[in-house]
Amino acid sequence: DIQMTQSPSSVSASVGDRVTIACRASQPIGTWIAWYQQRPGKAPRLLIYVASSLQSGVPSRFSGSGSGTDFTLTITNLQPEDFATYYCQQAHSFPLSLGGGTTVE
Amino acid sequence: VQLLESGGGLVRPGGSLRLSCAASGFSVSNYAMTWVRQAPGKGLEWVAGFSGTGDNAYYADSVKGRFTISRDTSQNTVFLQMNSLRAEDTAVYFCAKDLDTGNFPRHFFDYWGQGTLVTVSS
Repeated sequence: DIQMTQSPSSVSASVGDRVTIACRASQPIGTWIAWYQQRPGKAPRLLIYVASSLQSGVPSRFSGSGSGTDFTLTITNLQPEDFATYYCQQAHSFPLSLGGGTTVE
Repeated sequence: VQLLESGGGLVRPGGSLRLSCAASGFSVSNYAMTWVRQAPGKGLEWVAGFSGTGDNAYYADSVKGRFTISRDTSQNTVFLQMNSLRAEDTAVYFCAKDLDTGNFPRHFFDYWGQGTLVTVSS
């Protein structure tokens, strides 16, 4: 099974900042990774898929990169609505798995 | 597109529950569907899902042999039958729709329900 490890577990930031979140897979997964945003009490929201493709309706300040085992989600010009928890998810093979989450506070 | 989960509640350890996920705006027969859960104050955990438009399904090791995912195309609903429930199954359960249609989707999930809470306690 593939384990996904996110870092850091939390990050302190201010409006206008650039934030970078890392995700490492326990084995190579190509670009079979997605990133989700979850606000408190809400369902997750798909932001990025196949490592770098922006989901429809997601602002361009969100971007993703990486391949193999190391991936990054970057948020530029952080906005108030971006304070949330972010998760990576591997779609390379079953069982699917998600990272532990990174809270932007 | 909307997904509406129901069926959660309080159940004793060893008991059973059947969760439902009613879909609108698309046909569950055309998409791989999945269940993801979130224990109170914890992260997301993938639970079960179809590999495509057929009946082939996969499960997390933590629920294998106890949970079963199914779908009823006439009701346009996906189900999660949960047996032999344990305290560690306490969580909000979300259903989600695959981004891609067809039998070879990429397993990224673009629509999610609001979740239903399952509490396993004596």
